[in-house]
Amino acid sequence: DAKTTQPNSMESNEEEPVHLPCNHSTISGTDYIHWYRQLPSQGPEYVIHGLTSNVNNRMASLAIAEDRKSSTLILHRATLRDAAVYYCILRDVGTGTASKLTFGTGTRLQVTL
Amino acid sequence: GAVVSQHPSWVICKSGTSVKIECRSLDFQATTMFWYRQFPKQSLMLMATSNEGSKATYEQGVEKDKFLINHASLTLSTLTVTSAHPEDSSFYICSAPLAGRPDTQYFGPGTRLTVL
Repeated sequence: DAKTTQPNSMESNEEEPVHLPCNHSTISGTDYIHWYRQLPSQGPEYVIHGLTSNVNNRMASLAIAEDRKSSTLILHRATLRDAAVYYCILRDVGTGTASKLTFGTGTRLQVTL
Repeated sequence: GAVVSQHPSWVICKSGTSVKIECRSLDFQATTMFWYRQFPKQSLMLMATSNEGSKATYEQGVEKDKFLINHASLTLSTLTVTSAHPEDSSFYICSAPLAGRPDTQYFGPGTRLTVL
């Protein structure tokens, strides 16, 4: 499986934008980039995913480098409820219709007032 | 959005007993479900893939006779931890993608198992 590298932790002030980086230098052409987050004592939740183009949804934006070897999850205005562990995961669409997710260590985001 | 539930949310049992954890997709059908285990301050580790109507597929190093998985219907998968020991104490989480939509997986809230 292609691996991802994320910083262990990041801090942000509330109401400010947060840029969470992810390196995936061994990404293959059939790997989608997924982001999930896990709030304390809860199961993970889907945030966003993309292949080549930048993506936006109500939760966040995903900026993908032109060579696809890195990506950045952008939270436009962090709130205290965004404090969580954020996981950047590569999913190989070539392995079937229900590809499993392999979680790395993620980035623990702390949001302060 | 799609909802996945787990029952119980927490359980405490004595060493040597068996514990069953249920994972249900409440408003969609799931032909495939995934079971994860998470130890404190660690990431999720995939244990097995549960397939409706067929045998589960276990990840390397996971004992299939200890962690019994049954996917009896399109909305229910169960994980039974047999002869549980303290080292099995963990946070167990299931997930399911929408049929034909593998790009998004929906996770249950997790079950915290404590074995005394």
